[in-house]
Amino acid sequence: QVQLVQSGAEVKKPGASVKVSCKASGYTFTSYDINWVRQATGQGLEWMGWMNPNSGNTGYAQKFQGRVTITRNTSISTAYMELSSLRSEDTAVYYCARASGYPREWGQGTLVTVSS
Amino acid sequence: SYELTQPPSVSVSPGQTARITCSGDALPKKYAYWYQQKSGQAPVLVIYEDSKRPSGIPERFSGSSSGTMATLTISGAQVEDEADYYCYSTDSSGNHRGVFGGGTKLTVL
Repeated sequence: QVQLVQSGAEVKKPGASVKVSCKASGYTFTSYDINWVRQATGQGLEWMGWMNPNSGNTGYAQKFQGRVTITRNTSISTAYMELSSLRSEDTAVYYCARASGYPREWGQGTLVTVSS
Repeated sequence: SYELTQPPSVSVSPGQTARITCSGDALPKKYAYWYQQKSGQAPVLVIYEDSKRPSGIPERFSGSSSGTMATLTISGAQVEDEADYYCYSTDSSGNHRGVFGGGTKLTVL
């Protein structure tokens, strides 16, 4: 079955960067896109960006342009999302999802806390 | 930037039909998708491509789309359907940028 297992919770200081990993199994990693979505506590879902693991092509929401980078390592079926210049408003649960034009199956989420 | 608009809350009694709407200017050209999210859990896809139901999703969940509005219908809502529901679509720029609606809290009691 499709599984997406994300890395553990992170605590970062304002101005730092965070890199969250998402290890895929149960399907051919390069055959489906990966989306990243975040959710602040008590708030709604916010789409951040996508990546085609086969080509490495990416696309980002305008809000995160210049601050987010999505990459992959196909040899270990793992995608990464790096967010830089962190501020307190970036405190949220970050999800990866297998996608084919839309998010299908989701990882368990990674809590990133930004605090001084 | 492109936006999808949902009502913040919908409330029904068990066994009644719940309807949650999602409006967006690009919906006549783009599919709508619906996700259910229960407290503390990751979202689950319940409707894709406007009206298709993934395997394992109960038949009481259905979707439709007309013009600039998509609708998720839960026929005979049950207590376990109480959750937040989000619509999702993409903008019409061709850049594959996704967007979620603000979410609707469905209360069944």
